[in-house]
Amino acid sequence: GAVVSQHPSRVICKSGTSVKIECRSLDFQATTMFWYRQFPKQSLMLMATSNEGSKATYEQGVEKDKFLINHASLTLSTLTVTSAHPEDSSFYICSAQQGRAYSNQPQHFGDGTRLSIL
Amino acid sequence: GDSVTQMEGPVTLSEEAFLTINCTYTATGYPSLFWYVQYPGEGLQLLLKATKADDKGSNKGFEATYRKETTSFHLEKGSVQVSDSAVYFCALNYGNNRLAFGKGNQVVVIP
Repeated sequence: GAVVSQHPSRVICKSGTSVKIECRSLDFQATTMFWYRQFPKQSLMLMATSNEGSKATYEQGVEKDKFLINHASLTLSTLTVTSAHPEDSSFYICSAQQGRAYSNQPQHFGDGTRLSIL
Repeated sequence: GDSVTQMEGPVTLSEEAFLTINCTYTATGYPSLFWYVQYPGEGLQLLLKATKADDKGSNKGFEATYRKETTSFHLEKGSVQVSDSAVYFCALNYGNNRLAFGKGNQVVVIP
C-alpha cells in the first residue's frame, strides 16, 4: 500500500519550455504533498508544501512564479516549471501523506523525475 | 536553520561486516529524526525514526538512537547483506512535516 507515482520519470526539453510533472497517490488520499529538488551529490531540498484545495506554501528562496504547484484533488499534485532554463535541470521528487502537514503522518515518496533542459 | 550533516563519501564493505553511518543535526528544539533508504531504481522509503531523545528506532536489523547530548542519530547494522546496498539519507522534521535531508551515503556491500 501507500504508492506514489510520478510522471514522467524523465524529460528532456528545450530552454524556454514549460514542463509539468505529476504526482499521484494511487491507493490513499493525499491531503498534503511535498515537492523536493535534488542536485547531483547534494541533499534533497524542500521546495514547497502542497495542500489540497489551497495554495502551496513555498520555502524561502523558491520562486513561486517559476515553480507553479497545483493540488486540485486528493490524489494529484502537479509541479510546472515555467520557462525552464538549463539551471532548472535537476531531479524533482514528490512525497505524499494523509492528513494535513501538522499531523506528521508518514510521507510516501515517488520515484522522481529527471528534468534536463537543453 | 535546522539541518542535517552526514559523513562524507560512499561506504564500501564486505558482507557480514558492521555498518555505521554518522549523522549529526542542528535544530532549535527537539525534532523527530529519520533514516530513509533508496534502493537502486526506487523511491525513498522510511527505514526508521525516533521522535524524542533516547528513543531507539529499529527496522530490518538497522538501529539508530536519538542522542540529544551529541545531537546525533547514527545508523548501525551488525551484519550487512548485499541486499543492503543502497543510498541512506538522514533527515529531520523541522515543523509541519517538512523534512531536511543530509546528502546521503552510498553503501556498497561486496559479497
